Amino acid sequence: EIVLTQSPGTLSLSPGERATLSCRASQSIPSNYLAWYQQKPGQAPRLLIYGASSRAPDIPDRISGSGSGTEFTLIISRLKPEDFAVYYCQQYGGSPTFGQGTKVEVK
Amino acid sequence: EVQLVQSGAEVKKSGESLKISCEGSGYNFMSFWIGWVRQMPGKGLEWMGVISPADSDTRYSPSFQGQVTFSADKSVSTAYLQWSSLKPSDTAMYFCARSFSGSYPNDAFDVWGQGTMVIVSS
Repeated sequence: EIVLTQSPGTLSLSPGERATLSCRASQSIPSNYLAWYQQKPGQAPRLLIYGASSRAPDIPDRISGSGSGTEFTLIISRLKPEDFAVYYCQQYGGSPTFGQGTKVEVK
Repeated sequence: EVQLVQSGAEVKKSGESLKISCEGSGYNFMSFWIGWVRQMPGKGLEWMGVISPADSDTRYSPSFQGQVTFSADKSVSTAYLQWSSLKPSDTAMYFCARSFSGSYPNDAFDVWGQGTMVIVSS
């Protein structure tokens, strides 16, 4: 099983700041099959990024994904109020697994 | 509009059986694998497995193999998640979700149901 470790656990930032979230895999993810999701309280997750760096439909370009192999990053370039949420990475190169999540909270 | 609509919240007792549903609309239901994801209270997401509505081919996470059963009825565009004997540790929100590409069981999920809360008391 591929284990995903996200860091930090919580990120305290202000609107307008840049958020950098990390997702590290226990082994290389085939074909960089890595997705990122956003989840707000009481809501279902929303797909942001697939294939490590491709934006899902209707996702703004201030949200971007990068990385390969075992190291992946989600960047939100200028935080808006609606971006404060929990973010999960998921690998689907093997039997899919999720990371434990990073909470982006208002500082 | 492409959507998945799940059945309502359930409150059950330990040992009871349960089947929850996930109805798809706005797309060809048979063409996309449907996955199930568990979220225990205050915790993260766990991939339970997927089912192909076209032929009911299933893939289970080792953590959930033997604990739950997936099924699908393509005639009513609905997938199901079933327990034969619930435990208090099954208390969680359960989401269904559609595979992004449609073709592969191991995939990201692009469309999600609203979730079904299952509460199991002892």
